[in-house]
Amino acid sequence: TQLLEQSPQFLSIQEGENLTVYCNSSSVFSSLQWYRQEPGEGPVLLVTVVTGGEVKKLKRLTFQFGDARKDSSLHITAAQPGDTGLYLCAGGSGGSNYKLTFGKGTLLTVNP
Amino acid sequence: DADVTQTPRNRITKTGKRIMLECSQTKGHDRMYWYRQDPGLGLRLIYYSFDVKDINKGEISDGYSVSRQAQAKFSLSLESAIPNQTALYFCATRENTGELFFGEGSRLTVL
Repeated sequence: TQLLEQSPQFLSIQEGENLTVYCNSSSVFSSLQWYRQEPGEGPVLLVTVVTGGEVKKLKRLTFQFGDARKDSSLHITAAQPGDTGLYLCAGGSGGSNYKLTFGKGTLLTVNP
Repeated sequence: DADVTQTPRNRITKTGKRIMLECSQTKGHDRMYWYRQDPGLGLRLIYYSFDVKDINKGEISDGYSVSRQAQAKFSLSLESAIPNQTALYFCATRENTGELFFGEGSRLTVL
């Protein structure tokens, strides 16, 4: 069974601070996705990374896929209250039987 | 209208009752999934289907069954609900790029 460990599980910061969320595994994934979930809604995809060492930026969010495709990080610069939510990483594997394995999530609260 | 619609959104039932959660999609995707979300445990895969004739067990399928009535419809059943099946359930479809599109969730409480 492939496992994805996310850390930290909870994070409460003040508006304007920077933060990093980590997603680690002992398994290699063909792709790594990050989702954000707000209360009362389903998760929504933020980004997909597929190449080892890949870095993608989405406004104030920077996503990185580890060289060995076993880990990923999400860095938020100058966090805002609108960034509050549950951040989930998900590793893709299985080729034609493709499945996503989700981490347990990081609950981020950005206080005004 | 939402691309992935789940009904009911909330349900309270008693131990031993049969429950069906329904999911319909307008994305035109072949691949559909049922996940369960519990606090601190993330999303766990219950069942998935790659087309109408294909049903596969996920990591926590015991106590659940599914039916893929059409490309657009994928229902999840609890034949005899028990309290530890109290959770938030999500249906999702998958695009060829790998992106999952989730419904808004069905919150089930088993007393």
